[in-house]
Amino acid sequence: AQSVSQHNHHVILSEAASLELGCNYSYGGTVNLFWYVQYPGQHLQLLLKYFSGDPLVKGIKGFEAEFIKSKFSFNLRKPSVQWSDTAEYFCAAITGRRALTFGSGTRLQVQP
Amino acid sequence: NAGVTQTPKFRILKIGQSMTLQCAQDMNHNYMYWYRQDPGMGLKLIYYSVGAGITDKGEVPNGYNVSRSTTEDFPLRLELAAPSQTSVYFCASSYSGEGVKPSFGPGTRLTVT
Repeated sequence: AQSVSQHNHHVILSEAASLELGCNYSYGGTVNLFWYVQYPGQHLQLLLKYFSGDPLVKGIKGFEAEFIKSKFSFNLRKPSVQWSDTAEYFCAAITGRRALTFGSGTRLQVQP
Repeated sequence: NAGVTQTPKFRILKIGQSMTLQCAQDMNHNYMYWYRQDPGMGLKLIYYSVGAGITDKGEVPNGYNVSRSTTEDFPLRLELAAPSQTSVYFCASSYSGEGVKPSFGPGTRLTVT
């Protein structure tokens, strides 16, 4: 069965620091990958997605992610975080049966 | 398009009561999903459907039932509510074509006491 792992459960950064959140998936076949963000009290918003092509994907709000097939990874990055980036971040993957599987999430806290 | 809509937004149930969480989408998506999100946890798949008349269990189906009689609607039924079902429930839908991108509803916050 497919699984998605996020090893950073809680990350605390200062404003302007660089961010990298890890995501690994276990599915060996063709995979679609996503990063979602959930701001406090709100529902999920799509940050970026990878289907095929260029493994470096750019999303909204200055986020990007790199798909590394050999490492089964899809890490999320941002060069300089802002206080408004405080949120929970979820990595997700779609299996061949199209059931979207989520990681456990990473809570990001940005201190001003 | 309204996207994915869920009702109610909040609900408090007593142990043993039953209720149905409603989910509807107007994007003609063939795939629909129900997830639950517990505090500090990720989203766990309860049930999903790949089309009208077809449903399948996800990771945490116990205590829930679903039906998919139309493309638009995918209700989730709790028959005998238990405190362990206190959670936020999200419905989502997607299209099975190239570049599938799931859309999420705003969630239903359920408390069972």
